[in-house]
This record gives sequence, structure tokens and C-alpha cells, in this order.
Amino acid sequence: EAGVTQSPTHLIKTRGQQATLRCSPISGHTSVYWYQQALGLGLQFLLWYDEGEERNRGNFPPRFSGRQFPNYSSELNVNALELEDSALYLCASSLGLATYNEQFFGPGTRLTVL
Amino acid sequence: SQELEQSPQSLIVQEGKNLTINCTSSKTLYGLYWYKQKYGEGLIFLMMLQKGGEEKSHEKITAKLDEKKQQSSLHITASQPSHAGIYLCGAEGYNAGNMLTFGGGTRLMVKP
Repeated sequence: EAGVTQSPTHLIKTRGQQATLRCSPISGHTSVYWYQQALGLGLQFLLWYDEGEERNRGNFPPRFSGRQFPNYSSELNVNALELEDSALYLCASSLGLATYNEQFFGPGTRLTVL
Repeated sequence: SQELEQSPQSLIVQEGKNLTINCTSSKTLYGLYWYKQKYGEGLIFLMMLQKGGEEKSHEKITAKLDEKKQQSSLHITASQPSHAGIYLCGAEGYNAGNMLTFGGGTRLMVKP
């Protein structure tokens, strides 16, 4: 069974541009989570989608947004890129809304903002 | 908000030695997850603990959650170079909406 997949693997953008990152969850999983892992800041929760709706949001500005499609795949959009947005962006998926469901992570997209 | 503190931040051990990584929470842990990350890659799920006093093992790795559910430990027996990586604990708080809060990670190096 395929795990969580993310694309692209690497993304290089310049300041002010927009970035779009994609995530496909494990088959049968309806929840998708986005996390940012920036150097020196650890792993921080960004967004959580389930059944096409945004369920929770971390402490990030509105230029970080996303959506979940009917097939449960998800997109993370980062507008007006800033240098400090350079990070590894990790997507995870789990079964539905019930708590204590293991979150399985993808390999990540490394975003570099020049 | 829930905060998780991991110790030590980094660890270098000789192959074959045992080691323990700790994860301490400022609040009660309702779901505690251990992950392993190779540098710059995704997280590999290791174990999840929920109940006070719970202990789980997989191969040479054992994770425990204390009775008060505010501290967890990860113990590796007879370490091997394949155990090297960054170990992260993550937790769900009560009614936290499924999001995980992570500790700062413990970087483990195993010298052959």
C-alpha cells in the first residue's frame, strides 16, 4: 500500500512569489495535516483538513492557505514568500476525525526562498 | 498550549550500548507519539501511547508513558548504526483537534 506522497521534492522560489505544494494521503485516510519544519524552530503545525474542510489552523499568517479536494488530496499555498518560509514542509494523513489516530508522514517538500 | 521538552538534545553512543530519550509535557498527555526522522526526510511512525503506565516495544525499541501521563521515555537496547537519526515525540492534548505538538527532537549518533 502506498504511503503519503508529496510533490515536488524540492522547490526554489524567490521572495514575493507564490508556492504550491501537494500531498496525497494514504488510501482510506480522510484527514490531511501540514507541518512546517524550519531550521532551529522544530516541527510546527500549520493546517488540518478533513472531509474537504479546514478543521484547525496553527499560528501562521493568512498567506499560508490550502485546500482539500474530493479525493482527499491536499494543496498548501504560500503567497508572498518570505526568506523565513524556507523550510521542510511535511504532510501527514490519518483516519477521520476521531482522536488518537496515528498520523503517517510523507517525505516532505523542501522549499527554498531566495 | 502544550509544550514538550525532549532530553537530551543530542546523544552519541557506541554501537551496542543502551540509551534512553525522555519527553516531558507541561500538561497531561492524551496521546503520545514517537517518530524517527532521518535528516531532511519525513517522519517514520514508531509507537503511540495513550494510557498511564503503558509500555510498547518494537524490535529493540521500548516506549513508556508514566502513570501521571506527563512523561514518556524511549529506550533503545543494544544500539546499532541503523538507529541513528532524530527522534521526535509528539502529543495530542485534550480536545486539541488532532494536531500534534512536537518536542525539539533528540539527535542520535551511533558510533560503529
